[in-house]
Amino acid sequence: KAGVTQTPRYLIKTRGQQVTLSCSPISGHRSVSWYQQTPGQGLQFLFEYFSETQRNKGNFPGRFSGRQFSNSRSEMNVSTLELGDSALYLCASSLRSGPYEQYFGPGTRLTVT
Amino acid sequence: GENVEQHPSTLSVQEGDSAVIKCTYSDSASNYFPWYKQELGKGPQLIIDIRSNVGEKKDQRIAVTLNKTAKHFSLHITETQPEDSAVYFCAASTNTGNQFYFGTGTSLTVIP
Repeated sequence: KAGVTQTPRYLIKTRGQQVTLSCSPISGHRSVSWYQQTPGQGLQFLFEYFSETQRNKGNFPGRFSGRQFSNSRSEMNVSTLELGDSALYLCASSLRSGPYEQYFGPGTRLTVT
Repeated sequence: GENVEQHPSTLSVQEGDSAVIKCTYSDSASNYFPWYKQELGKGPQLIIDIRSNVGEKKDQRIAVTLNKTAKHFSLHITETQPEDSAVYFCAASTNTGNQFYFGTGTSLTVIP
């Protein structure tokens, strides 16, 4: 079974721009969560989507948003990028919402200049 | 919200020795505690997990123990091997979904 895939793997953007990251969960998994990983703040929860509905949201500004499609694929969007948004963005998929076992993708490395 | 503390931040052991990583949590409603291993350039990999109705769980060389009263849980790796070298994260979650609160990570180095 294929794992979680994330595209693109690397991205360089300029301050003020917006970016969209994509995540394809493991086949059959209906829950997708997003995390931001930085050396200073560690792994921080952004949001979870289950059956196309946002189930939970972390403590991030409204510039961070996401959505989930009927095939469980998910996208997250960051608008008006700031230098502090530079991070590894990780997507995790789970069979159900729960808590339940989550399996992470390799991440998208976003650099904001 | 939940606060998860993890110690130590770095750990070096000789190959074949045991390694122990400890985490504490603050929210008594937390009931699911996974452990992840992250290698350089990769996403975290789930290695073992435990739920609050269980005190201990073992999978070959890896074990996790949970003390609900003291709100702490630990990862034990026996007979360590160089390939165990990585950053390990603990996490906690409640019944509100898949929102995980992570510890700050432990960088484990196994010296051959």
